[in-house]
Amino acid sequence: ETGVTQTPRHLVMGMTNKKSLKCEQHLGHNAMYWYKQSAKKPLELMFVYNFKEQTENNSVPSRFSPECPNSSHLFLHLHTLQPEDSALYLCASSQENLRTDTQYFGPGTRLTVL
Amino acid sequence: KNQVEQSPQSLIILEGKNCTLQCNYTVSPFSNLRWYKQDTGRGPVSLTIMTFSENTKSNGRYTATLDADTKQSSLHITASQLSDSASYICVVSLSGTYKYIFGTGTRLKVLA
Repeated sequence: ETGVTQTPRHLVMGMTNKKSLKCEQHLGHNAMYWYKQSAKKPLELMFVYNFKEQTENNSVPSRFSPECPNSSHLFLHLHTLQPEDSALYLCASSQENLRTDTQYFGPGTRLTVL
Repeated sequence: KNQVEQSPQSLIILEGKNCTLQCNYTVSPFSNLRWYKQDTGRGPVSLTIMTFSENTKSNGRYTATLDADTKQSSLHITASQLSDSASYICVVSLSGTYKYIFGTGTRLKVLA
């Protein structure tokens, strides 16, 4: 295991639902990331938090809302999603958001939007 | 346009054989290049990170090379094992930003 856990591992939701993805890291890191991985497409960086402050929002639609209450926890709140948002959502952490830091990924949440 | 292209898209080899995966990038300004291994149903795991000044880095049976002049990198796997079956992803980060450009990966299957 990498020290990064994500829950739930699988989620099916309707377009009108509100749900949240949770990520927790046990590595003492200060930077956390959300990525989206769609079939046959490269990983897409969504959000970056460094010392609980959001440092990157990669033009993500407002139906995705991140929250980082402390350096160990990261949430992704979902509401009124579209079927094309179905994907694997990966959380990662690193010591800091330095360009040579190794990122440790969680196992991901497989999201299906009906 | 900042892009990372990987080849081949997929590869099948026999256990014990060597193989080489390619990564070409047009990312500028360049900061560093990473190779990740992603098993099915799991998150990526970092194999190597190389900065501009490094042209080779090894991690066990995995050896990555970087030619910053031609903007090419390769990942060489020696004496492949069944557990090497996975997707291998090349990632380049831009200098001065926190942006990462991901390739679509090479899917490797090692057969007994």
